[in-house]
Amino acid sequence: GQQVMQIPQYQHVQEGEDFTTYCNSSTTLSNIQWYKQRPGGHPVFLIQLVKSGEVKKQKRLTFQFGEAKKNSSLHITATQTTDVGTYFCVTDSWGKLQFGAGTQVVVTP
Amino acid sequence: EPEVTQTPSHQVTQMGQEVILRCVPISNHLYFYWYRQILGQKVEFLVSFYNNEISEKSEIFDDQFSVERPDGSNFTLKIRSTKLEDSAMYFCASSEGTGEGRRTFGSGTRLTVV
Repeated sequence: GQQVMQIPQYQHVQEGEDFTTYCNSSTTLSNIQWYKQRPGGHPVFLIQLVKSGEVKKQKRLTFQFGEAKKNSSLHITATQTTDVGTYFCVTDSWGKLQFGAGTQVVVTP
Repeated sequence: EPEVTQTPSHQVTQMGQEVILRCVPISNHLYFYWYRQILGQKVEFLVSFYNNEISEKSEIFDDQFSVERPDGSNFTLKIRSTKLEDSAMYFCASSEGTGEGRRTFGSGTRLTVV
């Protein structure tokens, strides 16, 4: 299956700051999805990116798919305490979602 | 917003016992999935189900596991003889007709094997 590496594994952010989490693959991806899992919760779908170079925004979240479709990023501006959780990039291959290890985000007030 | 419902939320079972985890997918979805997440680890794919049969399964999904859609609404995961290493959070998910794109996950069943 298509494996993705996520960095960083942990991200401590001061409330109000921006941060970016990255997702990298050694192979070309057909698409990439991002999910968020709150502590003790279940994965919640955020976005799907399909086109090379695609950029999508959801309020303070900006998602990008690389030109070569081998990497993706999630940038959060003006972090809030509600952004706490683990953000997973996920590949979808023949119906199987393959989750990355995730970036666990801790927000300090 | 439509939800995927899972019961029970927590199941404790003795090693060697059979367990059945239950899920009610979103009513107009056609693809159903089971995933598991061992504490502190990433979410792992177990199986996908479409048109009353398994469409994909992972290496984890061995002969001890089975899935069933016994009626028009429920989707179940059975583990025949539980092992300690089966302790995990089990998530059911469903998706619309293409089998790709957004998955909607249930809140999960925490299985503890003692």
